Amino acid sequence: RKEVEQDPGPFNVPEGATVAFNCTYSNSASQSFFWYRQDCRKEPKLLMSVYSSGNEDGRFTAQLNRASQYISLLIRDSKLSDSATYLCVGSRSNDYKLSFGAGTTVTVRA
Amino acid sequence: NAGVTQTPKFRVLKTGQSMTLLCAQDMNHEYMYWYRQDPGMGLRLIHYSVGEGTTAKGEVPDGYNVSRLKKQNFLLGLESAAPSQTSVYFCASTRRGASYEQYFGPGTRLTVT
Repeated sequence: RKEVEQDPGPFNVPEGATVAFNCTYSNSASQSFFWYRQDCRKEPKLLMSVYSSGNEDGRFTAQLNRASQYISLLIRDSKLSDSATYLCVGSRSNDYKLSFGAGTTVTVRA
Repeated sequence: NAGVTQTPKFRVLKTGQSMTLLCAQDMNHEYMYWYRQDPGMGLRLIHYSVGEGTTAKGEVPDGYNVSRLKKQNFLLGLESAAPSQTSVYFCASTRRGASYEQYFGPGTRLTVT
């Protein structure tokens, strides 16, 4: 079983809508979590970090629930440019490596 | 500042052929990584390096070798290509202490027939 599991989607939403999706992790040793964004046929890029207290960056809100071992990402007021695959990523303390989920695809339509 | 670059961008190989993928970064990063990305599988780590002259195996190292003779370059070799190695290969780098923020190259699309 992969350390980080995601619903692949796709989530098809109209512009202006709110979309939210989760990923679950199986390794309780994972200390830190992040969301990366990957546009079609492009390289992944760091979107934001995830904290237990919640982390907001503009229209994006990320949350970590350690008790239930899941991470969430919420996008408010969706834009066409938000269409992408969102990768959930886990990291263990003092480790050089990251564990990537397979990604959740979001398509925002006009 | 080019960031992370990869050569070549595309390649088609026949089964049994060999090739080397080159990754170069100009950010003076200590850590470098090679991943492969397949549909539904996400990014899987092949090999990584935490410094010049050092390499280590990742999740899926079989069939690949790597070398890091210079800090800015990380080479991925396929000695005898197999169709199962058809994939998109990404190189990434990051600075020491910030392994969460990896900077990726544009990828190499490899097809093995």
